[in-house]
Amino acid sequence: GAVVSQHPSWVICKSGTSVKIECRSLDFQATTMFWYRQFPKQSLMLMATSNEGSKATYEQGVEKDKFLINHASLTLSTLTVTSAHPEDSSFYICSASSPAGGWGETQYFGPGTRLLVL
Amino acid sequence: DAKTTQPPSMDCAEGRAANLPCNHSTISGNEYVYWYRQIHSQGPQYIIHGLKNNETNEMASLIITEDRKSSTLILPHATLRDTAVYYCIVTSGANNLFFGTGTRLTVIP
Repeated sequence: GAVVSQHPSWVICKSGTSVKIECRSLDFQATTMFWYRQFPKQSLMLMATSNEGSKATYEQGVEKDKFLINHASLTLSTLTVTSAHPEDSSFYICSASSPAGGWGETQYFGPGTRLLVL
Repeated sequence: DAKTTQPPSMDCAEGRAANLPCNHSTISGNEYVYWYRQIHSQGPQYIIHGLKNNETNEMASLIITEDRKSSTLILPHATLRDTAVYYCIVTSGANNLFFGTGTRLTVIP
């Protein structure tokens, strides 16, 4: 159980185009989903937190108009990188929060999407 | 959330137990200890978490000291597929995870 999928697994696009990444919780309902970014040889950095049906909360330094997040249902969140530039090339990872055993929640992560902007 | 300190790297022989330490001397009473790992080019994988009692599941055991200032993740029989970066995270809830630099575990044949 607790499987999170992402699509696509990798994408190459031209500078200036927009890219949409989907994140789905396959066997549980996720009230909260998270988007992270990871540059080579660095750790994961949280970009934003989204709750179903409400606006996402972005971390400091993350442009909300550039990284559009939609969490329209309890099993789907999307991240759209608008007007992508080479510096946006990174490994984007989503996660979904699921209650565990009545105490302490657990975040389950997707496999990640590698974005390369040319 | 409390800061954690982990060794940057460790080696372990295949088939032996891997013991990964984590110091969290400033942990608060309501903070959990979570362990995740990240295999190269994949998303992090949840391993285990605990509050103050030792915990065991099908993947690993988590030993938390009585004063809760440190913990050890134990992989009882390490395999090559356990080679990954292991993150020890202390947090009041899983909705607030900060990934530090972790410990790069290399399992050697």
